[in-house]
Amino acid sequence: KAGVTQTPRYLIKTRGQQVTLSCSPISGHRSVSWYQQTPGQGLQFLFEYFSETQRNKGNFPGRFSGRQFSNSRSEMNVSTLELGDSALYLCASSLHRGLTEAFFGQGTRLTVV
Amino acid sequence: EDQVTQSPEALRLQEGESSSLNCSYTVSGLRGLFWYRQDPGKGPEFLFTLYSAGEEKEKERLKATLTKKESFLHITAPKPEDSATYLCAVGSNSGYALNFGKGTSLLVTP
Repeated sequence: KAGVTQTPRYLIKTRGQQVTLSCSPISGHRSVSWYQQTPGQGLQFLFEYFSETQRNKGNFPGRFSGRQFSNSRSEMNVSTLELGDSALYLCASSLHRGLTEAFFGQGTRLTVV
Repeated sequence: EDQVTQSPEALRLQEGESSSLNCSYTVSGLRGLFWYRQDPGKGPEFLFTLYSAGEEKEKERLKATLTKKESFLHITAPKPEDSATYLCAVGSNSGYALNFGKGTSLLVTP
């Protein structure tokens, strides 16, 4: 059974640019959540998607956005990148909403220079 | 506001030296407590879910327990391959997001 797949694994961008990250959840999983991980803040919740709708959003600026497609694949976008956006971005998929187990992908390491 | 505190921040053990990691939480109605293991440069790997006080779960050398205020991850006779960061997360009635602690970095030396 394939796990959660995130692409790309590594990305280097310049300040002011925008970036799109992709997440393919485990087959059959309908809930996708995104987290940002930094050494100082740990894992912080960005947003959750279920049935193509954003259901929950963390405390991040509007530069961070996302969407979910009908096949449950999800993308997140960060516009006008700042140096502080450098982080490991993790996607997690769950079978349902609520607190069934969430399985994480390997993450996308974003470096903003 | 939900809070999750893990201690210690770092722990160094000799191979075979058993110990426990702590996860203290304050939530507005616990819906579930999760333990993950994370290796450097990788995503968190799911270990356990605990839903109610008194619940215990085991997997190989790991055993997770839950009370109304904290959870413990007991590591029995650890091996060097158990070295990783262990993350605790809680879900509460305030929403579906997981609220993570900062983790405990475990190093097991031969």
